[in-house]
Amino acid sequence: EIVLTQSPGTLSLSPGERATLSCRASQTVSRNYLAWYQQKPGQAPRFLIYGASGRATGIPDRFSGSGSGTDFILTISRLEPEDFAVYYCQQYGSSPPTFGPGTKVAIK
Amino acid sequence: EVQLVQSGAEVKKPGESLRVSCKGSGYTFTAYWIGWVRQMPGKGLEWMGIIYPGDSDTRYSPSFKGQVTISADRSIDTAYLQWSSLKASDTAMYYCARQSDDYDSSGYLFVEWGQGTQVTVSS
Repeated sequence: EIVLTQSPGTLSLSPGERATLSCRASQTVSRNYLAWYQQKPGQAPRFLIYGASGRATGIPDRFSGSGSGTDFILTISRLEPEDFAVYYCQQYGSSPPTFGPGTKVAIK
Repeated sequence: EVQLVQSGAEVKKPGESLRVSCKGSGYTFTAYWIGWVRQMPGKGLEWMGIIYPGDSDTRYSPSFKGQVTISADRSIDTAYLQWSSLKASDTAMYYCARQSDDYDSSGYLFVEWGQGTQVTVSS
């Protein structure tokens, strides 16, 4: 089973700042099948990024994904008030699919 | 519009059985993998398993195999997550979610999500 580690655990930033979230895999993610989700309190997760860098339909272009192999990054170029949430990475290239523990993006 | 509507919150005692449901609408129910994700209180997401309603092919994460049963009723476009004997450690929010061929056909990637069903197990 691939174990995903996310860092930092919490990122404290102000609106307008750039957020950089890391996701590291314990082994190579097949075909770079790495996704990102956003979850706000009391809500279901929202699908953001697939295939490490593909943006899902309707996701603003301030969200971008990058990386390959075992190291992946989610970047939010300029934080909007609605972006403060928990972000999870997920690998779906190997069975079983696994999620990382999440990074909380908090208002500074 | 694709919608996944889950059944309401449940409060159960240890040892009781339970089935929670997820009704799909706005798409051909039999043509897409649908699955379940657990989120324990204050914790992260855990992928539990999936079912392809078209032929009932079902796959489980090893962590959940034998602990729960995933099923689907094609006649009413509904997927289920079932326990035969609940434990206090089953207390969690459970989400159903659906794949989309626009992004991945394996069933492992969840694009559309239900609103969640809170399950509380307490004596």
